[in-house]
Amino acid sequence: DIQMTQSPSSLSASVGDKITITCRASQSISRHLNWFQQKPGKAPKLLIYGASTLQSGVASRFSGSGSATDFTLIISSLQPEDFATYYCQQGYTTPTFGQGTKVEIK
Amino acid sequence: EVQLLESGGGLVQPGGSLRLSCTASGFTFSTFAMNWVRQAPGKGLEWVSSFSGSGNHIVYADSVKGRFTISRDNSKSTLYLQMNSLRANDTARYYCVKADYYDGSGYYFDYWGQGALVTVSS
Repeated sequence: DIQMTQSPSSLSASVGDKITITCRASQSISRHLNWFQQKPGKAPKLLIYGASTLQSGVASRFSGSGSATDFTLIISSLQPEDFATYYCQQGYTTPTFGQGTKVEIK
Repeated sequence: EVQLLESGGGLVQPGGSLRLSCTASGFTFSTFAMNWVRQAPGKGLEWVSSFSGSGNHIVYADSVKGRFTISRDNSKSTLYLQMNSLRANDTARYYCVKADYYDGSGYYFDYWGQGALVTVSS
């Protein structure tokens, strides 16, 4: 299986901050990388697929980039509703997820 | 509007069985691959199994292979997960997830149900 490693595992930030979450695959996955947001007690929500394509209805402050083994999720200006846990997931072979990055209020 | 509604969760003893159902609406069910993804309490996401939309391509995670069986009834727009020989570490919320493809090969999970809680305990 392809292992996905996210960093950091958690971070504290303020409203308006720009934050970056990285995801590394144990082997090349081309651009088959997806990002999800999960709030407590809720199902995950798709944010980005194909490394950089924003899912319909997702705010433009979210962006993704990367290819092969290294990927990035950026939130350009953190909003109160963005405090959540974020997961990357590879869709190249049988799906695997990163361990998650919890974004907390500073 | 796409909706996925899971049912069948509950408390079961170790070694027992349970069947989850997921009723779908708002899209042509038979056309799309469907998945089960689980999340243990306070933990991350783990993909469990998938069933292709066309043909009968089925895949399982190693952790459930030989114990869980995924199936679907396209006439009822329903996905199932039969879980046998349940263990304590199968305790999790089980999400029914619709998948789609982009660029002909990339695979992503675009809609999730709210999940069914399965607790394996004596």
